[in-house]
Amino acid sequence: KQEVTQIPAALSVPEGENLVLNCSFTDSAIYNLQWFRQDPGKGLTSLLLIQSSQREQTSGRLNASLDKSSGRSTLYIAASQPGDSATYLCAVGTNDMRFGAGTRLTVKP
Amino acid sequence: EAEVAQSPRYKITEKSQAVAFWCDPISGHATLYWYRQILGQGPELLVQFQDESVVDDSQLPKDRFSAERLKGVDSTLKIQPAELGDSAMYLCASSRADYTEAFFGQGTRLTVV
Repeated sequence: KQEVTQIPAALSVPEGENLVLNCSFTDSAIYNLQWFRQDPGKGLTSLLLIQSSQREQTSGRLNASLDKSSGRSTLYIAASQPGDSATYLCAVGTNDMRFGAGTRLTVKP
Repeated sequence: EAEVAQSPRYKITEKSQAVAFWCDPISGHATLYWYRQILGQGPELLVQFQDESVVDDSQLPKDRFSAERLKGVDSTLKIQPAELGDSAMYLCASSRADYTEAFFGQGTRLTVV
């Protein structure tokens, strides 16, 4: 059974810092990995999707990498802003889509 | 911009009552997921449809939960009877096919009292 772990569980940084969120998974036989953002009480917003054949994807200030063999993905956020404050979730696609518990990010002005 | 529609946004129900949630996926999306998310945790898959067929319902508590997607478009998730432990956010997602980008609705926040 695929297990997905996200570290750290919570992170607080001052505005302007670059930061990295981590996602690890136990079964490397995945089809894709997707990063989401969730604001309190809301649904999930898709940020980036990386197919298993890809190493990274970029969207604006976000860069996600995937190392399938080691079971790891990172989400890099450049020049963080208070509006980036949210919970970030990774989901691993195999026969279904399994989520980690998320990293709660707070960016202080 | 196309989006996944869910209703209601909020639902308060008494335990032992029946409750139903509705989801309308993005047009053309064959795969539909229902997830349950307890506060502070990641979403857990309840059921996955491919068109009108159930692909995975291994985590669905079938003694009280049921899900259908009769025409392969919109879907309904039902709980009967509701229990206090069912209080959670119920999220619906869709994707064009397996292993493609998934998009989520705003969810239904269920409170069982």
